[in-house]
Amino acid sequence: DAGITQSPRHKVTETGTPVTLRCHQTENHRYMYWYRQDPGHGLRLIHYSYGVKDTDKGEVSDGYSVSRSKTEDFLLTLESATSSQTSVYFCAIRGLGNEQFFGPGTRLTVL
Amino acid sequence: EDQVTQSPEALRLQEGESSSLNCSYTVSGLRGLFWYRQDPGKGPEFLFTLYSAGEEKEKERLKATLTKKESFLHITAPKPEDSATYLCAVQPPTNAGGTSYGKLTFGQGTILTVHP
Repeated sequence: DAGITQSPRHKVTETGTPVTLRCHQTENHRYMYWYRQDPGHGLRLIHYSYGVKDTDKGEVSDGYSVSRSKTEDFLLTLESATSSQTSVYFCAIRGLGNEQFFGPGTRLTVL
Repeated sequence: EDQVTQSPEALRLQEGESSSLNCSYTVSGLRGLFWYRQDPGKGPEFLFTLYSAGEEKEKERLKATLTKKESFLHITAPKPEDSATYLCAVQPPTNAGGTSYGKLTFGQGTILTVHP
């Protein structure tokens, strides 16, 4: 257990509404990542952070923004949710050997 | 662009029937190759890291090996509890500034089902 929690674990929302997903870690890791996982696409990186207030885009960042105001929290925001953002979202932290440890995931459905 | 391809997409085995999963990659200057196990409804669970060709890692019935072009996950005498999706990921070399930020590129996974 890498001490990673995600909230909420499940969410159903409507198209056009803003949504914020939270990732919380308890072990002071510098690097944190947000992925989405979809059938046929595997895990794809949305955004990542390499320190407080230091973030950058991954391969599928359109429609998403992130913030990291504290080491332990990394927030993913969908400014105006669309049905194409229905997915399972995973947060991860980077370990000492460059391996990543994942949280339990958030299942998001956009109607 | 870094490519990671896993095969087969799905594998069905009888309990005790050994087999191998494949992960091929096109990254040059690989900094690390990672194997994960993912159970339905859960996040990926880290299994192994391999850094250089010829390296092997073992854990219970699993053994991971690495060549310059691919990695294999060998499963010896599998049990039903080994049923899961197995993912591999690669870490490309650092950029010109010397930092990769630990980003990984994942394959699409192999769904393993072991029947009793």
